[in-house]
Amino acid sequence: DQQVKQNSPSLSVQEGRISILNCDYTNSMFDYFLWYKKYPAEGPTFLISISSIKDKNEDGRFTVFLNKSAKHLSLHIVPSQPGDSAVYFCAASGTDSWGKLQFGAGTQVVVTP
Amino acid sequence: DADVTQTPRNRITKTGKRIMLECSQTKGHDRMYWYRQDPGLGLQLIYYSFDVKDINKGEISDGYSVSRQAQAKFSLSLESAIPNQTALYFCATSQGRNYGYTFGSGTRLTVV
Repeated sequence: DQQVKQNSPSLSVQEGRISILNCDYTNSMFDYFLWYKKYPAEGPTFLISISSIKDKNEDGRFTVFLNKSAKHLSLHIVPSQPGDSAVYFCAASGTDSWGKLQFGAGTQVVVTP
Repeated sequence: DADVTQTPRNRITKTGKRIMLECSQTKGHDRMYWYRQDPGLGLQLIYYSFDVKDINKGEISDGYSVSRQAQAKFSLSLESAIPNQTALYFCATSQGRNYGYTFGSGTRLTVV
C-alpha cells in the first residue's frame, strides 16, 4: 500500500507559467518531506525539503507547501523554464522509518515554449 | 568523479543467471540503499544498510541479496534473475535521518 501518492502522472505547462505538483500521504508519522527531480538516464537529485514544523519553504523558483491536517504537500515552480522538464518525485520519512524514504510514483513535467 | 557510482550502467542478462550490481560512494556516508524504479510505481526499497555490520530488508527484497563490503561499497545480487526483475536500479547514500539521499546514475537491467 503506497503511503505517498502523486495522482497526476503528467503535467504540461507553458514556459513562464506556474507549475504546481501535488502529493498526498497517509502515514501520520511522516515528519520530513522532500522533492526530487529526475532527468532521463540520471539518478534523482534533491530539489527542496520541508520539516513538519513548517508549512512553507522557499528556494529560488521552488516553493514547497505543507498542509499537515490534509496530509498534503505541493511544489510550486515559478516561473517554469524548459530545463524544468523532468520527472518529479515526492518523498517522505517519519519517526517510525529510521530515515528511510517512501517515494511517490512521480509526475512527468513538460514545459513548452 | 561522481559521489555515488553504479556499475554497470546497462546490462542484459538471461533468465536464471546470477548478476551483481555494484555501488561505491565517496560521500563518507554510513547509510546506503538499493531501490528499483518501475513505471507508475516510483522507487521501491529493496535493501538498506546503516553501517557495515547492519543489513536490512526493504519492501521488495525477495529474489535479491546484498553485501556491504566496506563503508563505501554496497552490492546488490540477483541470485537467479527473472524477467519481472527488469527495471532501473538505483543506489543511494545518506548521512542520517532528515537528510536527503544522494543517488547514483542507475543501472538499467533487462532480464530476457
